[in-house]
Amino acid sequence: GESVGLHLPTLSVQEGDNSIINCAYSNSASDYFIWYKQESGKGPQFIIDIRSNMDKRQGQRVTVLLNKTVKHLSLQIAATQPGDSAVYFCAEGGFGNEKLTFGTGTRLTIIP
Amino acid sequence: KAGVTQTPRYLIKTRGQQVTLSCSPISGHRSVSWYQQTPGQGLQFLFEYFSETQRNKGNFPGRFSGRQFSNSRSEMNVSTLELGDSALYLCASSLDTGDNTEAFFGQGTRLTVV
Repeated sequence: GESVGLHLPTLSVQEGDNSIINCAYSNSASDYFIWYKQESGKGPQFIIDIRSNMDKRQGQRVTVLLNKTVKHLSLQIAATQPGDSAVYFCAEGGFGNEKLTFGTGTRLTIIP
Repeated sequence: KAGVTQTPRYLIKTRGQQVTLSCSPISGHRSVSWYQQTPGQGLQFLFEYFSETQRNKGNFPGRFSGRQFSNSRSEMNVSTLELGDSALYLCASSLDTGDNTEAFFGQGTRLTVV
C-alpha cells in the first residue's frame, strides 16, 4: 500500500549546526505535505507545510524542500537549539488535510 | 484560546472491555481527526469527522468507532479491547476552510490494555 517513510531513525547534531531530516513518500497523488515535531509527552506540533505546486518553503529557522520527481521531502533546521530535540514526522495527504499518512519518525538529538 | 483537549489523559482497561475517549477541538474548528500512535506502527489515521459526519476512515476494524456532536466535540469508542489496542490516541482539529487546514493536535490519551 501507499506509505511514507524516513531514511534515518535517529540523528544527532551539535548545537548551532544545521540539521536535515529526510522523508520518502510513495503516493504520487499526494498534494500536501507537513512536518510535525513531537516532544515527549506531547502531541505532534505543526512545523511547516508545503503544497505540491511548490518545491521550497521557508519558515523561522526551518525550510521544507519537496522533490516530486523522486518523491522526496526534507526538513532543514538552521542553527539548532536544545529545544529542537524531538521526534520529527513527515506526513502526506490531500490538501483538505483530512487523512494524513505519517512517516515513522526521526529522533533528533541536539548535543550541547 | 484553548487548544485541543483530550480526556482522560491516561486509562487502564482490561482485555474485552470497551472504552470511550473524548476530544474537544479548538473553538470554531469543525474538523476532528483521530490517530493511533504505537512504537511499532507509528501514527495511523483512524477517522475524521466534519459537521457530525464521518468524512474519512482509515484501515481499522469495526471495533473502532467514533462520532461528532453538534458542538464539534468528538468521541471515539473501542469495543472488545485487545492487548494490541494499547497506544496513544491523538485527536486533531482544524478549521478546514480552504486555505487554512493546519491540524492542531491534543496531548493524547494513553490507553493501556491489560
